Amino acid sequence: DGGITQSPKYLFRKEGQNVTLSCEQNLNHDAMYWYRQDPGQGLRLIYYSQIVNDFQKGDIAEGYSVSREKKESFPLTVTSAQKNPTAFYLCASSTPGLAVMRQFFGPGTRLTVL
Amino acid sequence: KQEVTQIPAALSVPEGENLVLNCSFTDSAIYNLQWFRQDPGKGLTSLLLIQSSQREQTSGRLNASLDKSSGRSTLYIAASQPGDSATYLCAGSNNAGNMLTFGGGTRLMVKP
Repeated sequence: DGGITQSPKYLFRKEGQNVTLSCEQNLNHDAMYWYRQDPGQGLRLIYYSQIVNDFQKGDIAEGYSVSREKKESFPLTVTSAQKNPTAFYLCASSTPGLAVMRQFFGPGTRLTVL
Repeated sequence: KQEVTQIPAALSVPEGENLVLNCSFTDSAIYNLQWFRQDPGKGLTSLLLIQSSQREQTSGRLNASLDKSSGRSTLYIAASQPGDSATYLCAGSNNAGNMLTFGGGTRLMVKP
């Protein structure tokens, strides 16, 4: 089955702690994305990567970091510098460079700060 | 910078009703537009993708249109069912097609 997996489904973080959210895809997609969704709101782009070993900041990158060492994996670290990290985090992937682009989304990780 | 707005934020209708969800965007240079469905606590499922050169797309009871000149897209749902209850989000992409700007979504409830 091809798709995008995110883990864990629920994550709890203490104040001052870094946590890492996992995102894996077996769709052979080049591009991967991380979004944040707050209650009743749309998605905002945190980081994106169009190719291995390269990534770009999105609209709200402060307090977050990413790596892209493998095509299949794009982990997101929420650092202690992110002052309001409680949110629903969604990972997506797509194949850029085509006339038609469609993003596929994972099931999400809900992060709560205790 | 592209801004995408969805009105209404919430909508409740009786089963069987035809309905229209609205999406407006500020930059007419939008490349393509997607409509997504999101169930509570879940990821997004792509419903319809309207390419740059197209004006509408249809899938079953769903029809989406795109009017770049007026900065609007609509999602038409025919003969609504309780299973259609979800949040519907629209998102426009830039001319490279790889960056999406999302609206805030419309939360739809279809009552039996």
